[in-house]
Amino acid sequence: EIVLTQSPGTLSLFPGQRATLSCRASQTVPSNYLAWYQQKPGQAPRLLIYGASSRATGIPDRFSGSGSGTDFTLTISRLEPEDFAVYFCHRYGTSQTFGRGTKVEIK
Amino acid sequence: EPQLLESGGDVVQPGGSLTISCAGSGFAFSSFAMNWVRQAPGKGLEWVAAISGSGGTKNYADSVRGRFAISADFSKNTLYLQMNNLRADDTALYFCAKDFVGPYPNDAFDFWGQGTMVTVSS
Repeated sequence: EIVLTQSPGTLSLFPGQRATLSCRASQTVPSNYLAWYQQKPGQAPRLLIYGASSRATGIPDRFSGSGSGTDFTLTISRLEPEDFAVYFCHRYGTSQTFGRGTKVEIK
Repeated sequence: EPQLLESGGDVVQPGGSLTISCAGSGFAFSSFAMNWVRQAPGKGLEWVAAISGSGGTKNYADSVRGRFAISADFSKNTLYLQMNNLRADDTALYFCAKDFVGPYPNDAFDFWGQGTMVTVSS
C-alpha cells in the first residue's frame, strides 16, 4: 500500500504570500493519480486538483499542482483569506490513500 | 449541481450495528462510482469503501473488510453503508463522495456530502 507523507504539518504565512505544500509517496503513483483537497472547519473536503496538475471546475488559478512519480506539490501563488484551511493529498486508482494533511494558518 | 445528503448517524455500543445512508440528486446516480470516507475527530481522512455505478464491484479498506458492507438502491439514488461489530476506533464523521469521471471506482472525488456522525461508545 502506498503511504503519502505530507509536509510540513503546519504552514504559517501572511495573506499574499506563496504557499508550497509537499506530498511524497512511498512508491510511484501510477498514472499520476494524485488529487488535492481543501477542507475548512465543519465543512466537507473540496476537490482542487486531480491528475496531479489539472484544476477542478471553479478552482481559482492561484492554485496549481505539479509533480510526478513520488513527489507532488500544491502551490497557492498568493494566499487569500479564504485559503487558510487544511489540505489533503489523495492517491486514487486501484487503491485509495490520503495524506495526513497540511494546515495553512494565518501568521 | 450534484447534491449528497447523508443520514442515519447515531451513538452505538461496541459490537453493535448501524446502517447509514446517502441520498444523491442532481446527477445520474448509476453512472458514477460512489464512496464512503470517514474522519475521526480532529484527524485526517480515511477511505472506507467504494461501489461501482452498476453495483457489481465493491472495494473495502482493510480496516473494515468483513465488518462493513456497501450497497446502493439505484431506483432511489441512495447509497448505504451497513456497519457490524462496531469498535471505538470506528467513531468518525462519515462522508459519502462521488467519483469524478464515471462508474468505475478508481477516480478522485468531486462532490462530497456534509457527513453523518457515528459514535461507538458504551
